[in-house]
Amino acid sequence: DQQVKQNSPSLSVQEGRISILNCDYTNSMFDYFLWYKKYPAEGPTFLISISSIKDKNEDGRFTVFLNKSAKHLSLHIVPSQPGDSAVYFCAASGSGTSGSRLTFGEGTQLTVNP
Amino acid sequence: SQTIHQWPATLVQPVGSPLSLECTVEGTSNPNLYWYRQAAGRGLQLLFYSVGIGQISSEVPQNLSASRPQDRQFILSSKKLLLSDSGFYLCAWRALGGGNYGYTFGSGTRLTVV
Repeated sequence: DQQVKQNSPSLSVQEGRISILNCDYTNSMFDYFLWYKKYPAEGPTFLISISSIKDKNEDGRFTVFLNKSAKHLSLHIVPSQPGDSAVYFCAASGSGTSGSRLTFGEGTQLTVNP
Repeated sequence: SQTIHQWPATLVQPVGSPLSLECTVEGTSNPNLYWYRQAAGRGLQLLFYSVGIGQISSEVPQNLSASRPQDRQFILSSKKLLLSDSGFYLCAWRALGGGNYGYTFGSGTRLTVV
């Protein structure tokens, strides 16, 4: 049962344009959502998060939007830079989640072309 | 500051050989600890998590086991490796109680079973 899904395995954009990565979830108990960025042969690093009481959180070039009714969140990167090329994972957790564990999506490979 | 150490970085093991991957955390007490695996072309799969010494929860049946002999040490083991155990193994920690701070991941171990 895949509770967090990233339906696009890959995305390619031009430098300077906007990158939009999408994530859907099915568990209505999730109340906190995070995005991680991962380079090859490295551990994921935290990028940005959002609580379910908000619908938007912005940090520099990165903005996460949450649509609770649609159980959908998205990460916007603008302007995109070649250094943003990486795999992006969406993750979710709930206050009642045993062990405070995160459930991850499958990841989206973002390629930003110069 | 908190740091997480994971080793070795790469490992090539023959089928049927044992495995031991170690993860240690510094600068925090009572962390929740996690082992994840990323198989080739796939997302992050939670293997084990621990909320305290000697407390291990397994997410999926498999050929692996985990132990937590000390508060800040988490070990992933196998008695006999299978080809399907190949992948990128990640250790992570989270402050007890979860909070809203997500995980901090180690740098990962690339395991190739031949």
